[in-house]
Amino acid sequence: DAGITQSPRHKVTETGTPVTLRCHQTENHRYMYWYRQDPGHGLRLIHYSYGVKDTDKGEVSDGYSVSRSKTEDFLLTLESATSSQTSVYFCAISAGTSVTDTQYFGPGTRLTVL
Amino acid sequence: DAKTTQPNSMESNEEEPVHLPCNHSTISGTDYIHWYRQLPSQGPEYVIHGLTSNVNNRMASLAIAEDRKSSTLILHRATLRDAAVYYCIPRESGGSNYKLTFGKGTLLTVNP
Repeated sequence: DAGITQSPRHKVTETGTPVTLRCHQTENHRYMYWYRQDPGHGLRLIHYSYGVKDTDKGEVSDGYSVSRSKTEDFLLTLESATSSQTSVYFCAISAGTSVTDTQYFGPGTRLTVL
Repeated sequence: DAKTTQPNSMESNEEEPVHLPCNHSTISGTDYIHWYRQLPSQGPEYVIHGLTSNVNNRMASLAIAEDRKSSTLILHRATLRDAAVYYCIPRESGGSNYKLTFGKGTLLTVNP
């Protein structure tokens, strides 16, 4: 199994509070991703990183920010959580983005915003 | 992105082969076909990928039609642990290939 951990694994928070989710990898992979998964939508890309301090938006980035100060850590921040951000969040990593590269996923964080 | 069509659900018995189909008629000639699966309460995991010819690995086989408009993931002997949602994902060569586009997939139920 790829060495990917996510913390926390479960979180309940209130609307308007800031929330930070952490993804940690031990594989030294260059690329890291944050996806969210909601019923009826499948997984959708929020943000991704292609190196330390290099990040870019995915298809559902509004309301989220990310940071990557070290190769092994990729943080996802909800500056002011809303109920629509209740979801399961998955981190993924890959060595590259070629058509044959594999993405490895973490176990997920279940976030509930009340 | 190439569109895919997969059955919503399929059912199999333990130790029997399972053939999971995927239609991807809009795929381009250089797109690879990837399959991922997601076990209950887990993140997706890679299963297999291929371009034109059939591919085998320890988890499964991938049969790609000659015209590349469809492919079939083959689990040779289903186990209870294979119960999952299976996603067929075309990946474009070149361009912005950083994301995986997940559809709704096929929910595979394996009966003991």
